[in-house]
Amino acid sequence: DIQMTQSPSSLSASVGDRVTITCRASQSISSYLNWYQQKPGKAPKLLIYGASSLQSGVPSRFSGSGSGTDFTLTISSLQPEDFATYYCQQSYSTPRTFGQGTRLEIK
Amino acid sequence: QVQLVQSGAEVKKPGASVKVSCKASGYTFTSFGISWVRQAPGQGLEWMGWISAYNGNTNYAQNLQGRVTMTTDTSTTTAYMELRSLTSDDTAVYYCVREGQGGLYVYFQHWGQGTLVTVSS
Repeated sequence: DIQMTQSPSSLSASVGDRVTITCRASQSISSYLNWYQQKPGKAPKLLIYGASSLQSGVPSRFSGSGSGTDFTLTISSLQPEDFATYYCQQSYSTPRTFGQGTRLEIK
Repeated sequence: QVQLVQSGAEVKKPGASVKVSCKASGYTFTSFGISWVRQAPGQGLEWMGWISAYNGNTNYAQNLQGRVTMTTDTSTTTAYMELRSLTSDDTAVYYCVREGQGGLYVYFQHWGQGTLVTVSS
């Protein structure tokens, strides 16, 4: 199975900050990497697919980059609605695996 | 628009089984597979498996093999996930998810609202 490791596990930031979350795969997954946002009590929401493609309707302050084993999700200017938990997920092979999540909190 | 509506919360005793349903609408049901993903309280996301709504082919997570069965009913556009021999470790919110595809890339695009399954004596 491909292991996905996110860092940091939690992060405190302020509105307007630029934030970067990192995801590392245990083997190369090319660009088969997706990012999701989850708010308490809600289902996850797709933000980025194929490592860098922005899902329709997602604000352009979200961006993704990387290939192979190292990936990043960047939020260019944090908005109040962005405080949530973020997960990466590989779609290179089954079983589909997720990172453990990064909880983004208000400073 | 695509909608996935799941059945309601369940409380089960250890050793029992649970069957969660997922009613799909807003797209051609047989054109997309359905995955099931679960989330234990305060924990991360775990992929349980996938079923083709076209031909019923399945792919289950190794750690659930033998305990999980995923099925679909094309006449009612409903997917089902049955989990047997429940333990407290199976207490979680269970999501059905329809995949999306952009070029070569597959992703979990449409999610049900989730079904809380509580296993307690």
